[in-house]
Amino acid sequence: QSALTQPPSASGSPGQSVTISCTGTSNDVGAYNYVSWFQQHPGKAPKLIIYEVSKRPSGVPDRFFGSKSGNTASLTVSGLQADDEADYYCISFQARFGGGTKLTVL
Amino acid sequence: EVQLVESGGGLVQSGGSLRLSCAASGFTFSSSWMTWVRQAPGKGLEWAANINPDGSEGYYVDSLKGRFTISRDNAKNSVYLQMNSLRVEDTAVYYCARDRAYGALDYWGQGTLVTVSS
Repeated sequence: QSALTQPPSASGSPGQSVTISCTGTSNDVGAYNYVSWFQQHPGKAPKLIIYEVSKRPSGVPDRFFGSKSGNTASLTVSGLQADDEADYYCISFQARFGGGTKLTVL
Repeated sequence: EVQLVESGGGLVQSGGSLRLSCAASGFTFSSSWMTWVRQAPGKGLEWAANINPDGSEGYYVDSLKGRFTISRDNAKNSVYLQMNSLRVEDTAVYYCARDRAYGALDYWGQGTLVTVSS
């Protein structure tokens, strides 16, 4: 059960956009539109920010955008804010998390 | 208000056992898949186990099969994780979460720390 592949780090300046990728295979990410994304601040529980590739739970700002192409899902955070600095994780329907991406707001 | 409150973590020696509990409120527990996710210190999230709404089916990550057992009591709105034959590498914060569907874990507890010493 291999983890999905995410870049270990990403960064951007306030107001900019940044995209984080999540690469799997045709058996997980590519198979169905069941990819979720979580945001985790240090010492806190994760928070669901995207589900079913591109849907946002109530209360999540539309600055967070999810998409998918083939076996790779992506999370784009636009209009970066200081509070967006956190770890981000993807998960496929096969219950495998990505390794996580630390987003730094410069 | 939705709440998930984990308990039962602590310090245990290698080879020992612990039982984690997670008490849920604020949503229809008896119709929800429930999941345990763990996070070793300084590491990423690892999906550990989940259980279907009536408790008849449990699924585990390969490294936990045969050692951990997930169960639930819908009358008590609680889900459990019995952890046996604990290893140092099981040291982690253990979170319980509600799975709205296919990995969309929408409600999370605050986590409980399990430390396994050698």
